[in-house]
Amino acid sequence: GAGVSQSPRYKVAKRGQDVALRCDPISGHVSLFWYQQALGQGPEFLTYFQNEAQLDKSGLPSDRFFAERPEGSVSTLKIQRTQQEDSAVYLCASSLYSGPYNEQFFGPGTRLTVL
Amino acid sequence: GDSVTQMEGPVTLSEEAFLTINCTYTATGYPSLFWYVQYPGEGLQLLLKATKADDKGSNKGFEATYRKETTSFHLEKGSVQVSDSAVYFCALIGGGAQKLVFGQGTRLTINP
Repeated sequence: GAGVSQSPRYKVAKRGQDVALRCDPISGHVSLFWYQQALGQGPEFLTYFQNEAQLDKSGLPSDRFFAERPEGSVSTLKIQRTQQEDSAVYLCASSLYSGPYNEQFFGPGTRLTVL
Repeated sequence: GDSVTQMEGPVTLSEEAFLTINCTYTATGYPSLFWYVQYPGEGLQLLLKATKADDKGSNKGFEATYRKETTSFHLEKGSVQVSDSAVYFCALIGGGAQKLVFGQGTRLTINP
């Protein structure tokens, strides 16, 4: 079966541009997470959805970051007016249900480079 | 807030050597603990987990024991292989939370 997929795999943006990153979770997975991984660091939590409801967005670093999952499946992370400090790998993960007993399956990530 | 600290890398070992990667945590409540692995060119994969004190997680010859008294979850393997070369991340999910909190990662290289 298909795992979590993300697109694009690589994105180069000029400072100030808007970008949209897509995540296709495993079919039927209720929970979806976005993480940001800076070079040489561990992933850091951005936001979490249960179905279409965004239940936790405490990790979004600024109001330039926005995420949605309108039909409870595909999710999009949007970054407006990109800055150089936004350069990172953005990881999406999904799990069948929420909670520590449900494995989070990670996608390959989107590497964003802001020039 | 919750946090994870793991030994800094990179770590370089010879094949068949014994491996320990230290991990300690700070958390309120009773967290669940995880080790994730990222092989070159691949995404993060769950290696093993433990959800309560004194539990031992194991997979592919790797083991880690949840030690509440020392707030630790050290990763061990008795005899490493070249194919174990990867970046290893210790992580937790805090009590009542959904999100993973990761350590900074340890890059492991095994030489033949």
